Amino acid sequence: QSVLTQPPSVSAAPGQRVTISCSGSSSNIGHNYVSWYQHLPGTAPKLLIYEDNVRPSGIPDRFSGSKSGTSATLGITGLQTGDEADYYCGAWDSNLSAGVFGGGTKVTVL
Amino acid sequence: QGLLVQSGAEVKKPGASVKVSCKASGYTFTRYGVSWVRQAPGQGLEWLGWIAIYNFKTNYAQKVQGRVTMTADTSTNIAYMELGSLTSDDTAVYYCARTFEYYWYFDLWGRGTQITVSS
Repeated sequence: QSVLTQPPSVSAAPGQRVTISCSGSSSNIGHNYVSWYQHLPGTAPKLLIYEDNVRPSGIPDRFSGSKSGTSATLGITGLQTGDEADYYCGAWDSNLSAGVFGGGTKVTVL
Repeated sequence: QGLLVQSGAEVKKPGASVKVSCKASGYTFTRYGVSWVRQAPGQGLEWLGWIAIYNFKTNYAQKVQGRVTMTADTSTNIAYMELGSLTSDDTAVYYCARTFEYYWYFDLWGRGTQITVSS
């Protein structure tokens, strides 16, 4: 049972848009920054978004992040077959004094 | 930009301990922390803990508290994670990740170390 809640899977056709939700509480998302990671099997996870909505250099603007209250959202536009991966949200939890991840969301390009 | 190189795969017996290393290069080691994250087969990412290199402060996940020790050697730029009392549930790929404490994110990852616990 993850502290942050994500949908297990989302899917869409190439070129379409998907959003992935990440629900938490006041002790994590509500008062701390959210980051997002892309994880392809057999590779190291990759940082996509930090500080809720900032993209590192080299991450295309098809990826976006937003936050409202105790929930965050990752958006992917212009979906490509290369975007098929698992996506995780992460944050610091002040009550646990620990880092926490969501359970992960598998993105499938139909 | 930086690079994290992890030690190789290991097979351990139940009850044993394992120590994984993570050598950092290409950045100032003491300016960041190092987190350890694992992924068990068919499972998601699980944060195990982190060490702030500048003062060696650590925080551990409750699940592994008491079994895990994270250390760092600033003379060699290597971070270590030792996990004891291993069970089959500890079979996983273990990653080290450079950690930016204030904003809490991991911007540089090692390639992972497979730890298999089997009798």
